[in-house]
Amino acid sequence: KNEVEQSPQNLTAQEGEFITINCSYSVGISALHWLQQHPGGGIVSLFMLSSGKKKHGRLIATINIQEKHSSLHITASHPRDSAVYICAVSFQGAQKLVFGQGTRLTINP
Amino acid sequence: DAGVIQSPRHEVTEMGQEVTLRCKPISGHNSLFWYRQTMMRGLELLIYFNNNVPIDDSGMPEDRFSAKMPNASFSTLKIQPSEPRDSAVYFCASSPTRRRAKPSNYGYTFGSGTRLTVV
Repeated sequence: KNEVEQSPQNLTAQEGEFITINCSYSVGISALHWLQQHPGGGIVSLFMLSSGKKKHGRLIATINIQEKHSSLHITASHPRDSAVYICAVSFQGAQKLVFGQGTRLTINP
Repeated sequence: DAGVIQSPRHEVTEMGQEVTLRCKPISGHNSLFWYRQTMMRGLELLIYFNNNVPIDDSGMPEDRFSAKMPNASFSTLKIQPSEPRDSAVYFCASSPTRRRAKPSNYGYTFGSGTRLTVV
């Protein structure tokens, strides 16, 4: 069983829809990251959070430490949001990242 | 800042050859990470350094893999001899060491990756 679980693995939606991607982890963490990777592209860090909520443009990330769960939301989705979104955590006492398997998001026009 | 710089972007080599991947972290970042991404296993840590010292190399597959960080601005990942199963995208990332950084600056910056194909 992966230490970091994401759902769904694949998500297809129409332009304008509200998108939610979920991430659960098994033990205490020091930080959780949301990453974005476009096909054939590099990895971009979207958010790093250890509590509460962060917002950047149409992207919102939340984390519930007690429930060991985080969500990434995209409002007013657009085809350019199509990418793989990866949740990664650094467990307490460690700096390295442990990654979820990623969620492949496709937004159709 | 130019970000984390990796070279080469693409490498095609024959089985048995030595391959060297290079990484220049962001200036001032004290931690450097080498990750590998494959379709089957996703992203995995190979090794990371703090202040040029290897901290965790438990992800290095076998003795064919070695990594060095001779100074704060340069790291190499070497595979010798290379095998077809080493084909993957290798990412380098850097971050500030937490105790020196403000919480808002803990984030990682990834390089563009090196796509390695061993034939």
